[in-house]
Amino acid sequence: DTGVSQDPRHKITKRGQNVTFRCDPISEHNRLYWYRQTLGQGPEFLTYFQNEAQLEKSRLLSDRFSAERPKGSFSTLEIQRTEQGDSAMYLCASSRPGQGANEQFFGPGTRLTVL
Amino acid sequence: AQKITQTQPGMFVQEKEAVTLDCTYDTSDPSYGLFWYKQPSSGEMIFLIYQGSYDQQNATEGRYSLNFQKARKSANLVISASQLGDSAMYFCAMREGRRGNAGKSTFGDGTTLTVKP
Repeated sequence: DTGVSQDPRHKITKRGQNVTFRCDPISEHNRLYWYRQTLGQGPEFLTYFQNEAQLEKSRLLSDRFSAERPKGSFSTLEIQRTEQGDSAMYLCASSRPGQGANEQFFGPGTRLTVL
Repeated sequence: AQKITQTQPGMFVQEKEAVTLDCTYDTSDPSYGLFWYKQPSSGEMIFLIYQGSYDQQNATEGRYSLNFQKARKSANLVISASQLGDSAMYFCAMREGRRGNAGKSTFGDGTTLTVKP
């Protein structure tokens, strides 16, 4: 069990640029979640996949955000035309189906800074 | 709509003593799951304990126990015999749906726990 991994761990970009983050879940986990966390607050749900299907997306997400999980394994989160308000920690989590789905395993996160 | 409230921004506890971190929630779904996570300064979220809305007994995991009072909509975390390594941010979270199995989780704003030697 190698855990959830995220890449990159840190990203600094200029306003208006596009960024893409990658998440590799635990291999047998079919569910994958993206969250955003700003300083002093709890994680905020962004979107959720079961296998390759995106089942839910937060209404808080603007059209600048898109996530994919094309083969049901790793996932990417892209932010287009970044804004300073996008600066945050982006967390990925995964879970198993069935009884074990209660527990989400989180990755170390990608910290985004938009200048 | 789901909502989680953690009213204690910061808590202090003496090493080896017990501490209770408060969490209240609001939902109209009869099926939901309540979770506690620990986030050390390194940033990674660590799952601690889970309580299902239909579970008859309070959940326990080692030094962690969840004081679930359904009528009051509270799910307080009790940490017994605090250790210096327990110093971290603690988040309460909820997922609606059968067995807390639905996708979306709602988190509170957290409580920073500091364990004093």
